[in-house]
Amino acid sequence: DTAVSQTPKYLVTQMGNDKSIKCEQNLGHDTMYWYKQDSKKFLKIMFSYNNKELIINETVPNRFSPKSPDKAHLNLHINSLELGDSAVYFCASSQDPNTEAFFGQGTRLTVV
Amino acid sequence: RKEVEQDPGPFNVPEGATVAFNCTYSNSASQSFFWYRQDCRKEPKLLMSVYSSGNEDGRFTAQLNRASQYISLLIRDSKLSDSATYLCVVNKAGFQKLVFGTGTRLLVSP
Repeated sequence: DTAVSQTPKYLVTQMGNDKSIKCEQNLGHDTMYWYKQDSKKFLKIMFSYNNKELIINETVPNRFSPKSPDKAHLNLHINSLELGDSAVYFCASSQDPNTEAFFGQGTRLTVV
Repeated sequence: RKEVEQDPGPFNVPEGATVAFNCTYSNSASQSFFWYRQDCRKEPKLLMSVYSSGNEDGRFTAQLNRASQYISLLIRDSKLSDSATYLCVVNKAGFQKLVFGTGTRLLVSP
């Protein structure tokens, strides 16, 4: 019954590897997001999709590539992982970009 | 000026106390305002939306002051379970996104 679900919950990987995080929402929302929360706990938007179209790309390195195969899914692929990519990545969805967002449980990425 | 600014705290209060947080925002055209709660190592969860007329949900009251561009959250009769970080969220008008404040940490002690 989880509204926004993302996998995996934990991801430990070596520098230079490529990894993906998957996200699915069953709320029927049109908008989905990826947020990054760093060690200082600041929550910053990375990408936003509305009806499968990219509407926000917040100057994220192009090693990060989001993909939205349909309105209910937004995946995040990260190439050539770096130590500084270690953070918690949250997927979220909302009815539209200006309404309340609902978050997945987060993926804690540790790059070693 | 930051888009959304909050006092990081922590606010240390005893059980039963009343505590208030303020948050200021820079974009006068913003229309949507929310308070979220985030527990340690958990995702942010919507606590309440903030309406122009103010709104109340049990022990929680949210107010919006458009003239001064701030929103507030009042928690009455604090419980231990209220200990968390409270995030102020405002839409960035014209940019189709929500902006999160850095959060205010609340610690309620017995």
